[in-house]
Amino acid sequence: SQQGEEDPQALSIQEGENATMNCSYKTSINNLQWYRQNSGRGLVHLILIRSNEREKHSGRLRVTLDTSKKSSSLLITASRAADTASYFCALLTDSWGKLQFGAGTQVVVTP
Amino acid sequence: NAGVTQTPKFRVLKTGQSMTLLCAQDMNHEYMYWYRQDPGMGLRLIHYSVGEGTTAKGEVPDGYNVSRLKKQNFLLGLESAAPSQTSVYFCASVLDREFHTEAFFGQGTRLTVV
Repeated sequence: SQQGEEDPQALSIQEGENATMNCSYKTSINNLQWYRQNSGRGLVHLILIRSNEREKHSGRLRVTLDTSKKSSSLLITASRAADTASYFCALLTDSWGKLQFGAGTQVVVTP
Repeated sequence: NAGVTQTPKFRVLKTGQSMTLLCAQDMNHEYMYWYRQDPGMGLRLIHYSVGEGTTAKGEVPDGYNVSRLKKQNFLLGLESAAPSQTSVYFCASVLDREFHTEAFFGQGTRLTVV
């Protein structure tokens, strides 16, 4: 079962615009992670936010976490065509590193 | 560093055939995982290992077996392939369970069962 649900399922924007996607979940988490998957490739880790953190930044990425609402958002600022990919949130809910993935948000950035 | 390497990258099987997918990591990670990814869905955990010689079932283990005889290798076996096992399989590894829990993924194995 998918514990994380991303919204929207698909997003189409122009280069230079910001892209925001959300992840909602139902369980308690240790941390929440975001991954990117380019077409036909493996997943690449982007950023991890722990349950006691509210916001993290990494380059053009900004992640927020609201554990009271059980939701997280990923913001990509000043999007580039190379940001075209699927983005997944993944929940870490136990001590064994098992991740629970959502279905992903497909982002298309047009030049 | 090669990271996480999966072989093969593509395979077509006939129903009832068997095969083994190999995952190798050179990062000395303790934990390893096999996921499958189906269209429109996120990854689902098949089996995982928390150390050499250990294996455990994930969310969708039926029809698969695994072995971790060496720390760097994690094998996924299909004894009698079924069309429902047509999927993209990803192996991942994690360093530890405290502070370094980001997963490193292989490039995937695209398996078609006809």
